This record gives sequence, C-alpha cells and structure tokens, in this order.
Amino acid sequence: DSGVTQTPKHLITATGQRVTLRCSPRSGDLSVYWYQQSLDQGLQFLIQYYNGEERAKGNILERFSAQQFPDLHSELNLSSLELGDSALYFCASSVAPLRMTNTGELFFGEGSRLTVL
Amino acid sequence: AQKITQTQPGMFVQEKEAVTLDCTYDTSDQSYGLFWYKQPSSGEMIFLIYQGSYDEQNATEGRYSLNFQKARKSANLVISASQLGDSAMYFCAMREAVTGTASKLTFGTGTRLQVTL
Repeated sequence: DSGVTQTPKHLITATGQRVTLRCSPRSGDLSVYWYQQSLDQGLQFLIQYYNGEERAKGNILERFSAQQFPDLHSELNLSSLELGDSALYFCASSVAPLRMTNTGELFFGEGSRLTVL
Repeated sequence: AQKITQTQPGMFVQEKEAVTLDCTYDTSDQSYGLFWYKQPSSGEMIFLIYQGSYDEQNATEGRYSLNFQKARKSANLVISASQLGDSAMYFCAMREAVTGTASKLTFGTGTRLQVTL
C-alpha cells in the first residue's frame, strides 16, 4: 500500500460526459502528479501541483483540468469525454524535494480506470 | 527535451536466471534521477530502484540492481534469480526538476517481462 488513495477505481461513462477523479496523497506529501496511461500513448505526465499551486504542466488537454485543495487532496476533471480518453489515470505524490537531495520517488495510487463508451 | 528509450518490448527469462532490461536516456541536465517501476497485471505502479546522476556507485535493492553507465547514458535494470512473481511490465523513468519545487517523471514505453518455469 503506497498510501496514495484514488477514487473511483473504475468508471464507465458515455461520450460527452464529465467525470471527476479524486486523489488523496500520502500523509505529509505536498506534491501531487497526474498521469494518464493508455495503450497507444504509454504513461503521459499531465500536471503537477505543489501545496495547492500548479507547478508543471504536461500533455494535458484543454478539456481536462485539475486542482489541489487546502487539505492537499487533488481532483482531475475530465469533460466532453471522447472514446480516446479511455485510460488508466494515476495520481502520485511526493515530498517535492530539491534538485539534488533524496530520491524524489513518486508514490503511485492504484489508478482510476476510465472507460468511455 | 528529455527522452527515455526502452528498446525491448518483451523479454522472457527462466526462473532463477538473471535478466537485464535496457534503458537509455537523453538529457542535457547535469542533475537528474533515474527510476525503475514495476507494473503487475493488477495495474499499480511499484517503485523498485533509484539512481541519482551524481551517485558514483550503482544502486542495489535486494534482487534489483541498476547498471548505471553515465557516459553511455544507460540505466539498465538487472534482476537476479528471477521469480514467477517478477512477471510484469517494467518502466524506466527519469526525474527532472523544472524549478526548485516542480519536477516530473518521464517514462519509457516499458518492457514486458515473462518469467517461465
């Protein structure tokens, strides 16, 4: 158990709909990352938050948005869903260390599997 | 832009044998970190081992070791005494700091390892 909690574990919805994925990081971790894993794209970095602020952005579509709340949990909102959005969405957390100190290991949740029909 | 390359889509190894999973990377940064993660069929991402760019010794964690060749920009994972439970997808990743508090992991496409009797 990594200590990162993601809900829901599975979600089936229709094209055009909107869903919200939730992530609670490990206790004490200030940084939250969202990744998308699809069959054809592999693991793609979407976005990172640190202590409530957006810090780094990856290949996140404009239809997707995220935020990190004061209690440090994060939500990833996916709207106007398309078939191609079907994927496993991972949340990961870390302490967000400085460049050269400690491992900077990311602890991953079990993922939320989204199926768009 | 950094890049991680895993050239082996699939590998087979017999139980109790050692296996090397290849990973090469490309970055212009002097400070970076290299990771290996395991993803079993259940889907979760499990951290295995870390190597910092300034670490002079190869990292080891139990049956896992990382063969770090900085000049060649390679970070191969060696699994000794393979077990059936090692059958999984293995991802090489590189951590790069974007700012003092922002960082991300970029993943390779993965190698699927199958351990046989």
